[in-house]
Amino acid sequence: AQRVTQPEKLLSVFKGAPVELKCNYSYSGSPELFWYVQYSRQRLQLLLRHISRESIKGFTADLNKGETSFHLKKPFAQEEDSAMYYCALDNNAGNMLTFGGGTRLMVKP
Amino acid sequence: EAGVVQSPRYKIIEKKQPVAFWCNPISGHNTLYWYRQNLGQGPELLIRYENEEAVDDSQLPKDRFSAERLKGVDSTLKIQPAELGDSAVYLCASSRDTLRDEQYFGPGTRLTVT
Repeated sequence: AQRVTQPEKLLSVFKGAPVELKCNYSYSGSPELFWYVQYSRQRLQLLLRHISRESIKGFTADLNKGETSFHLKKPFAQEEDSAMYYCALDNNAGNMLTFGGGTRLMVKP
Repeated sequence: EAGVVQSPRYKIIEKKQPVAFWCNPISGHNTLYWYRQNLGQGPELLIRYENEEAVDDSQLPKDRFSAERLKGVDSTLKIQPAELGDSAVYLCASSRDTLRDEQYFGPGTRLTVT
């Protein structure tokens, strides 16, 4: 069975500080990993996926198969980054997403 | 484009009462998903449709939950009878196809069972 773990429920940083939201997964195959974000009063939306290797809104995430991690990073946090962030895994069985419990990021001025 | 539409946005019912949620996916999206999100947790998939066919409903509590997607467009999720533990946000999402297409989420229906 697959599982996604986000060990931090809340992460609070000051504006301009680096941010790292942790995500660990357990899955025996080759998963696809995603980060979804939900801003206040908005819908859950895709932030980035590991196969794209893109930087979205300054965020990047690298899949580390050895450590089974997919941590989300940003070198300089902005106040508008404050949101709920969910890591999710697709087990190749047809877009079946398994979500982690989420981390609330608060960026203080 | 309106995106995925869900109604109602909020629903408060007493336990043992029935409740239904409605979802209209993005036009042209063949795959539709229903998720349940309990407080403080991530969404959990309940059922996935490809067109009008339910291709995965293994997480749907079939004793009280049912879903349908007539004509492969709109979908309804029903609970009968509702229990206190059903209080959650019910999310609908759609994607163009199944194979790793981006899922677009609706605003959700917040259900409170008293």
